[in-house]
Amino acid sequence: EVQLVESGGGVVQPGGSLRLSCAASGFTFDDYAMHWVRQAPGKGLEWVSLISGDGGSTYYADSVKGRFTISRDNSKNSLYLQMNSLRTEDTALYYCAKAFGWWEIDYWGQGTLVTVSS
Amino acid sequence: DIQMTQSPSSLSASVGDRVTITCRASQGIRNDLGWYQQKPGKAPKRLIYAASSLQSGVPSRFSGSGSGTEFTLTISSLQPEDFATYYCLQHNSYPPTFGGGTKVEIK
Repeated sequence: EVQLVESGGGVVQPGGSLRLSCAASGFTFDDYAMHWVRQAPGKGLEWVSLISGDGGSTYYADSVKGRFTISRDNSKNSLYLQMNSLRTEDTALYYCAKAFGWWEIDYWGQGTLVTVSS
Repeated sequence: DIQMTQSPSSLSASVGDRVTITCRASQGIRNDLGWYQQKPGKAPKRLIYAASSLQSGVPSRFSGSGSGTEFTLTISSLQPEDFATYYCLQHNSYPPTFGGGTKVEIK
């Protein structure tokens, strides 16, 4: 059974940094690309970032490019999102998600909440 | 970026009703579209992939159709557990984009 468990969310001031983690199990982690997707309170879903299975290719939404960095450690079956220069509009529930193919998503974690507020 | 216009944004329906939700893409995306169900406080769950293929374990009352720019998700007979918000996702090209969501509420 695929399991994705996010952690690392919390409250941070504007301009601050936070690192999210996602622990994966139930599948061969390095065979699959992985996504981060976010959902602002009461809003819809917004794709954030993708990393390839070997970590060699990364993609970002324009809204986070230059501020967020996606990475992975295949030896630990873990995915990360380093978030710098955080803005109030980054407040959201952040989901880790497994890719099906490349851009498609088949499984989601339960999410970790990031609140950017002074 | 490909824009996904989902309609309606909300609907009220009764148990047993047939429900149809539509997503329109701003350009052709072949059949590179999935449908997801999200219940309050829960992660999204994939229902349909490749526009019309049913995810394993998903009840057969859910079906998807369409290709190119227009897609539909149909629930043939709405059940109490189907009250949720539904999203489409196009994965034809970077960046992947979601529809705005359809909230299905009890009438």
